[in-house]
Amino acid sequence: DQQVKQNSPSLSVQEGRISILNCDYTNSMFDYFLWYKKYPAEGPTFLISISSIKDKNEDGRFTVFLNKSAKHLSLHIVPSQPGDSAVYFCGANDYKLSFGAGTTVTVRA
Amino acid sequence: GAVVSQHPSWVICKSGTSVKIECRSLDFQATTMFWYRQFPKQSLMLMATSNEGSKATYEQGVEKDKFLINHASLTLSTLTVTSAHPEDSSFYICSARVAGEIGELFFGEGSRLTVL
Repeated sequence: DQQVKQNSPSLSVQEGRISILNCDYTNSMFDYFLWYKKYPAEGPTFLISISSIKDKNEDGRFTVFLNKSAKHLSLHIVPSQPGDSAVYFCGANDYKLSFGAGTTVTVRA
Repeated sequence: GAVVSQHPSWVICKSGTSVKIECRSLDFQATTMFWYRQFPKQSLMLMATSNEGSKATYEQGVEKDKFLINHASLTLSTLTVTSAHPEDSSFYICSARVAGEIGELFFGEGSRLTVL
């Protein structure tokens, strides 16, 4: 049973616009959430995280929002840049990290 | 930030042979490391949790006799794919968390295994 879900397998956005990636989870014991970015044939790189006691965390162009009552989090990238084209994984942690299936983001010039 | 290194990054082997992949935390100690596998166009799948000085904890459906994990020190965990078959061809990634801390995991670069 998949506890972390990214229901949009792909997202295409114009350069300069906002990219919004969504993630839903089912396990109320998750206490820490992370977003990772992955290029083909490379390991994931950490982007941004948020603790369950917060509802927003911002780092430069990246902002993560957490809605615990809805068990939903989202990643906003603004403005989107061509180098942001990659697969983004949402991760949620209790004693181990569980990943969503990923969303492939394509930023169009 | 903390660095996790995997070796080799790419390996090709014949069917029936065994392959060892190393995961090292270069500038921190990690009591726990995680091994993941990624199939093409799919998510990272947690295979096992490697605990320093004790047996690894395997996820359901992962054959512990096929994927041998050893965490002999606070900076090194190894994954050995035994009697490899073509269906074991995949991208294997390790991650580690700084001992005593929660939250951020640091990932290795990944190791691509191709079994002929």
